[in-house]
Amino acid sequence: QQPVQSPQAVILREGEDAVINCSSSKALYSVHWYRQKHGEAPVFLMILLKGGEQKGHDKISASFNEKKQQSSLYLTASQLSYSGTYFCGTERISGTYKYIFGTGTRLKVLA
Amino acid sequence: DTGVSQDPRHKITKRGQNVTFRCDPISEHNRLYWYRQTLGQGPEFLTYFQNEAQLEKSRLLSDRFSAERPKGSFSTLEIQRTEQGDSAMYLCASSLGGLGVYEQYFGPGTRLTVT
Repeated sequence: QQPVQSPQAVILREGEDAVINCSSSKALYSVHWYRQKHGEAPVFLMILLKGGEQKGHDKISASFNEKKQQSSLYLTASQLSYSGTYFCGTERISGTYKYIFGTGTRLKVLA
Repeated sequence: DTGVSQDPRHKITKRGQNVTFRCDPISEHNRLYWYRQTLGQGPEFLTYFQNEAQLEKSRLLSDRFSAERPKGSFSTLEIQRTEQGDSAMYLCASSLGGLGVYEQYFGPGTRLTVT
């Protein structure tokens, strides 16, 4: 039931791009993206509410393919501050409310 | 600081003891969530409140766990007869509520160690 993220881990040089994918076997109502640095709480990045929606701020953007039940997070020209673990969070309302985080992607940006 | 706060930040207890954690959400948020996170894993949903009503409780939450939000403001999570497997970071988050979908703001967490 837990959304699967890929890759599990990625190492980048500053300025390189990365894509993190989130795939669910269940129908999704919305997709949320969070970044968590070691020893800290998750910090919200963005929500995507409907299929085909894309959002972005600064050099981080995301898309949501409702039909495929997939979301992707795009990190452009990565900075050292982007290092951390990225989680997608999915919200399903099918009888009961359920909020589930994905398996996580560890991202390390090197100078 | 107007963010989500949690108390205590760290708790060490002996197996079999009861522990209680407190979460103070952002004041205008009427949704409050509890999660448990172990090392290397994503947060696991435990329960959530809309105002004072507990609307959902995960099957992961055994009968030893109980949560309250008596006046729709702060919340407490109690674990009775703690076990070593309860050792984890307990995260609280809050959000606006209603018909829309809103981002969750997380507190710093309470790290529980059961010895």
